[in-house]
Amino acid sequence: EVQLVESGGGLVQPGGSLRLSCAASGFTFSSYWMHWVRQAPGKGLVWVSRINSDGSSTSYADSVKGRFTISRDNAKNTLYLQMNSLRAEDTAVYYCARDLYSSSSGYFDYWGQGTLVTVSS
Amino acid sequence: SSELTQDPAVSVALGQTVRITCQGDSLRSYYASWYQQKPGQAPVLVIYGKNNRPSGIPDRFSGSSSGNTASLTITGAQAEDEADYYCNSRDSSGNLPYVFGTGTKVTVL
Repeated sequence: EVQLVESGGGLVQPGGSLRLSCAASGFTFSSYWMHWVRQAPGKGLVWVSRINSDGSSTSYADSVKGRFTISRDNAKNTLYLQMNSLRAEDTAVYYCARDLYSSSSGYFDYWGQGTLVTVSS
Repeated sequence: SSELTQDPAVSVALGQTVRITCQGDSLRSYYASWYQQKPGQAPVLVIYGKNNRPSGIPDRFSGSSSGNTASLTITGAQAEDEADYYCNSRDSSGNLPYVFGTGTKVTVL
């Protein structure tokens, strides 16, 4: 059974940092592109970042570019999102999601349960 | 960046058919995918590509596309289909890889 389990969320002050993790199991993690998607309270889904299967290629939404860094450790079957210079508008539930195909199709077939990040003083 | 526009809310009587639409320039070039999200839960992929359903998704869900509009149809809506639905597509503007629609709240009466 495919499972994605996020962790690392919490309350952080503006300007602070946080690292999210997404532990994957039930599939060959190293074969799939992975994504982070966020959802502010009461709002819609917003794509944040993606990483290719071996970690050599990444992309970001303009709103997080230069502040967030996506990475992965295929030996540990874990996806990461390092978030720096956090702003109030980064407050959201952050989901990791698997790309359906072993490429960047943009079809997200499995999602974690999400981890809440709250940026507030 | 491209935008994908959805109606904020639609309602459907139990057992009837409802169509949810998603409009955007990127849909002229790329197929949409559709996600169902119930309160407090993660999204679930229900349709992707031309009209493909992941394993476990009932066949009352179907997708179609024409021009700049993608549609998700629920034929014979059930109470458990009440949820928010989001479309998603590649972004043809090149500014970022993917964009989600604004979301549609489906109420089953």
